[in-house]
Amino acid sequence: KNQVEQSPQSLIILEGKNCTLQCNYTVSPFSNLRWYKQDTGRGPVSLTIMTFSENTKSNGRYTATLDADTKQSSLHITASQLSDSASYICVVSGISNFGNEKLTFGTGTRLTIIP
Amino acid sequence: GAGVSQSPRYKVTKRGQDVALRCDPISGHVSLYWYRQALGQGPEFLTYFNYEAQQDKSGLPNDRFSAERPEGSISTLTIQRTEQRDSAMYRCASSLAMGQGYTFGSGTRLTVV
Repeated sequence: KNQVEQSPQSLIILEGKNCTLQCNYTVSPFSNLRWYKQDTGRGPVSLTIMTFSENTKSNGRYTATLDADTKQSSLHITASQLSDSASYICVVSGISNFGNEKLTFGTGTRLTIIP
Repeated sequence: GAGVSQSPRYKVTKRGQDVALRCDPISGHVSLYWYRQALGQGPEFLTYFNYEAQQDKSGLPNDRFSAERPEGSISTLTIQRTEQRDSAMYRCASSLAMGQGYTFGSGTRLTVV
């Protein structure tokens, strides 16, 4: 069964500090992995998307890594800001039995930045 | 349109009633997903359309749930004989093509009482 597991479930850090969120997956066959940021009551917004051949991708203070061999990804946030408080969702895209792309969502990490 | 539009934003319905949720994707987007998110949970895949073809409906919980996209643009998710456990945020997302970035709608908050 395709699964995406994220850790930690929740994280509280001081403003200005760095943090790293983890994502492990068992989706196969693998197409790509995306990290989304979801503010409370809003839809998810894409941060990064990585295919099999990409090991790292940055978007401002967000840097995602991917190890397709161990099926692990991380999202590193540098110099956190209060606006980074949100849920961060790891989404892995595979190919379904029907030949279409199928997204499997992690349960997310709830990040809270405190001043 | 500029984004993915969903309606209604909120729907409260009595148990046993049927509801229809609408998704209007970005114009020209081929791929359309429906998923739902219960409070405090991660999103759960429901079904996928490529143009008008419903290529994957493996995530629909049971036969009370159905979806259509007859002309390859607007999609409707229908839940018959609603139950309290159907209460969730129902979101749709569209993409220009497989493997491209997805844009999510703001969702329909369904509450079954």
